[in-house]
Amino acid sequence: EVQLVESGGGLVKPGGSLTLSCAASGVTFADTWMSWVRQAPGKGLEWVGRIKSTPDDGTTEYAAPVQGRFTISRDDSKHTLFLQMNSLRIEDTAVYYCTTTVRWELRFEYWGQGAPVTVSS
Amino acid sequence: DIQMTQSPSSLSASVGDRVTISCRASRSVTYYVNWYQQKPGNAPKLLIHAASILYSGVPSRFSGSGSGTEFTLTISHLEPEDFATYYCQQSYSLPRTFGQGTKLEIK
Repeated sequence: EVQLVESGGGLVKPGGSLTLSCAASGVTFADTWMSWVRQAPGKGLEWVGRIKSTPDDGTTEYAAPVQGRFTISRDDSKHTLFLQMNSLRIEDTAVYYCTTTVRWELRFEYWGQGAPVTVSS
Repeated sequence: DIQMTQSPSSLSASVGDRVTISCRASRSVTYYVNWYQQKPGNAPKLLIHAASILYSGVPSRFSGSGSGTEFTLTISHLEPEDFATYYCQQSYSLPRTFGQGTKLEIK
């Protein structure tokens, strides 16, 4: 059974930083592309970015609103995905979901329970 | 960016009804459209991928169709557990984008 467990969410001031973690089990993590999707309160789903599997070079892509501020990384030895968020803005307030995705990110198959992030002074 | 526009934004229906949700892409995405179901407080779940392929474990009352720019999700016979919000999503190009959602409510 695939399980994704996010952690690290919380309250942060504008301009601050936060790092989310996503611990994966039940998948061959190193071979799995991973993505982050967020959902602002009462709003729809928004793609944040992705990281390719290590055999596929492990490179990242980001949505324009977070480009240059957010960094996705992975530790295959610990089966863990990370989302480092810097220069946080009020509009980054959302629940952040990590997801597994098949190669080329054709669909988001498994989702974590979500990590709430609130950016407020 | 490719915009995904769903209609209607909300829908009231009864158990046993057949319902259809539409999704239009701002340009062709061939068949690279997925559908997700989300219930309050829970993460989304994948229902349909590649426009018409039922994901593993999803009941057969769900079906998807379409290609190019027009797509539909059909629930043939509503069950009580189907009342939720549904999202389409394109995986044709970056950034990946979602429709705004269709909230399906009990009449």
